[in-house]
Amino acid sequence: QSALTQPRSVSGSPGQSVTISCTGTSSDVGAYNYVSWYQQHPGKAPKLLIYDVTKRPSGVPDRFSGSKSGNTASLTISGLQAEDETDYYCSSYAGSHTVVFGGGTTLTVL
Amino acid sequence: QVHLVQSGAEVKKPGASVKLSCEATGYSFSGYYMHWVRQAPGQGLEWMAMINPNFGVATGYSQKFRDRLTVTADTSTSSLHMELRSLTSEDTAVYYCAREGRDGTYLFDFWGQGTLVTVSS
Repeated sequence: QSALTQPRSVSGSPGQSVTISCTGTSSDVGAYNYVSWYQQHPGKAPKLLIYDVTKRPSGVPDRFSGSKSGNTASLTISGLQAEDETDYYCSSYAGSHTVVFGGGTTLTVL
Repeated sequence: QVHLVQSGAEVKKPGASVKLSCEATGYSFSGYYMHWVRQAPGQGLEWMAMINPNFGVATGYSQKFRDRLTVTADTSTSSLHMELRSLTSEDTAVYYCAREGRDGTYLFDFWGQGTLVTVSS
């Protein structure tokens, strides 16, 4: 299982929107609608932001949204805020009771 | 409320084994799959294994760890355990337990606080 491919870093100004991509294969992202996104602040456990490609757990602002096209999933953060500056990870079911994560993306709010 | 409380930090020598635990409270432990995920210093998240607590033994392993990782669950104590053998410096990482929020969807809705394992001679 190879890690899903994410850009190492993205940036945006407050109020703008940014999109983080997560590219897999036809055996993981492309095969299942079980893509999740996590936010992780330094020294903390990850927090679930998006699941089942597009769904948000209660308590997650609607500024966070997810989508998928083919083998690539995306997380869009609109109305960027300073507190959004941290690391983001995607994950996908990869068949046979296995999961694969992306390498992670660091978001900088300029 | 749901809490996953992990055992304390460990320091091990290369070649040794480490056993970690994760105690679940606030929900029915047997009703949710559990996973182990690790994160090396400055690196990304890496999935290791999953278990249906009702089965007692792991139902899915990453190929990378299959030969030296054992994951078990004890529903009588609502606890999850893992043993990683033949440690090397590359196993230095924070190890997390995580609950799968809904069977078969592989989303992790609650995480433990993490356990730092340091492998050093």
